Amino acid sequence: GNSVTQMEGPVTLSEEAFLTINCTYTATGYPSLFWYVQYPGEGLQLLLKATKADDKGSNKGFEATYRKETTSFHLEKGSVQVSDSAVYFCALPTGSSNTGKLIFGQGTTLQVKP
Amino acid sequence: DTGVSQDPRHKITKRGQNVTFRCDPISEHNRLYWYRQTLGQGPEFLTYFQNEAQLEKSRLLSDRFSAERPKGSFSTLEIQRTEQGDSAMYLCASSSSKTRVDEQFFGPGTRLTVL
Repeated sequence: GNSVTQMEGPVTLSEEAFLTINCTYTATGYPSLFWYVQYPGEGLQLLLKATKADDKGSNKGFEATYRKETTSFHLEKGSVQVSDSAVYFCALPTGSSNTGKLIFGQGTTLQVKP
Repeated sequence: DTGVSQDPRHKITKRGQNVTFRCDPISEHNRLYWYRQTLGQGPEFLTYFQNEAQLEKSRLLSDRFSAERPKGSFSTLEIQRTEQGDSAMYLCASSSSKTRVDEQFFGPGTRLTVL
């Protein structure tokens, strides 16, 4: 089945620093790719998505490009804020394409210091 | 549309007790998923419903776990004879097969602690 690997955290940055969180995947075909964010004590929120190769998903200053050559979907942000402190999960569908169930990376904790 | 809701948000129970969690999906979503998330890990798929039919269950879902979705609306997840290893965050998500089935919207989760 499909799988996903994220860089391990925690990642600690100063405010306004550049962020990269690496995500690589193995998949049959070209499934949609997702980044979810989880703030402390809350459920997951969809941050951005890309549905086909070379697509760039973006939201709230975050971006990720679907790279089929390198099977990667790295998350980037040019200038992080304290409010970006959260856990970030890379995800893609797995199993039958009809179920839509997702497989997640282990998560990367981001801590942004003022 | 108020999003996916889950109840309770927190549950503390003693080993051996039964617990039941509820999930109310987004109203027009016909697909509903349960995931389990342990500390420091990503969510893991437990089971999936399309309307009222439970179409897939993970091997993680032991015989002590049962999920239902009567009338294709809200869903319940029951754990019988809880064990300390059941302590986790239980997440519910929903999606619509009329749009993109893999674009799921998550609830806030129910955090279970088994003493």
